[in-house]
Amino acid sequence: SYELTQPPSVSVSPGQTARITCSGDALPKQYAYWYQQKPGQAPVLVIYKDSERPSGIPERFSGSSSGTTVTLTISGVQAEDEADYYCQSADSSGTYEVFGGGTKLTVL
Amino acid sequence: EVQLVESGGGLVQPGGSLRLSCAASGFTFSSYWMHWVRQAPGKGLVWVSRINSDGSSTSYADSVKGRFTISRDNAKNTLYLQMNSLRAEDTAVYYCARAEQYCTNGVCYTRLGFDYWGQGTLVTVSS
Repeated sequence: SYELTQPPSVSVSPGQTARITCSGDALPKQYAYWYQQKPGQAPVLVIYKDSERPSGIPERFSGSSSGTTVTLTISGVQAEDEADYYCQSADSSGTYEVFGGGTKLTVL
Repeated sequence: EVQLVESGGGLVQPGGSLRLSCAASGFTFSSYWMHWVRQAPGKGLVWVSRINSDGSSTSYADSVKGRFTISRDNAKNTLYLQMNSLRAEDTAVYYCARAEQYCTNGVCYTRLGFDYWGQGTLVTVSS
């Protein structure tokens, strides 16, 4: 079955830049999406189609893609950005969706 | 305002059944594909199943194939997940989510991702 691989954790100090990667063989063929989830809450979409930002999402959130890896970048990290982040995509045919294992962002 | 409200969760014994519902409002339900995503306690998000806009096509994760059935009633703006032969490892919060999707040349794509989610309903499988 298809898998997306994320680092389990990333730590940054306030004001620094956090980068979270997600790797998967089908990423050149299917877009990736990123979700933020805080404890006890439902996930929130923060990036769609690799690099597009939904309305209401701060500009400090951005996404990029290169080959089989996509990256979520949070510039000028704030304490409120501390959360779990998940990438999501689909297999090459778009039949099955898949989430990465999630990355816990800690703001030191 | 887009709203997705799940219901039907609860405590069930191993081998038992449960039907989850997701009531949708604030958008044209029949235009969207719908998904179920689950999250075991302290674990990550796991995609479970999806159904296309008219209910003619479904897909399942291997872990639930043959045990779970997704369906929808567009007249009632409601999504369902029938869960049979439940196991302890099915214990999770179950979320419904909507997605604007389309298929072309046999490949399906998502326009905006899972842009709205419900708050989830907890399913506990235990004796």
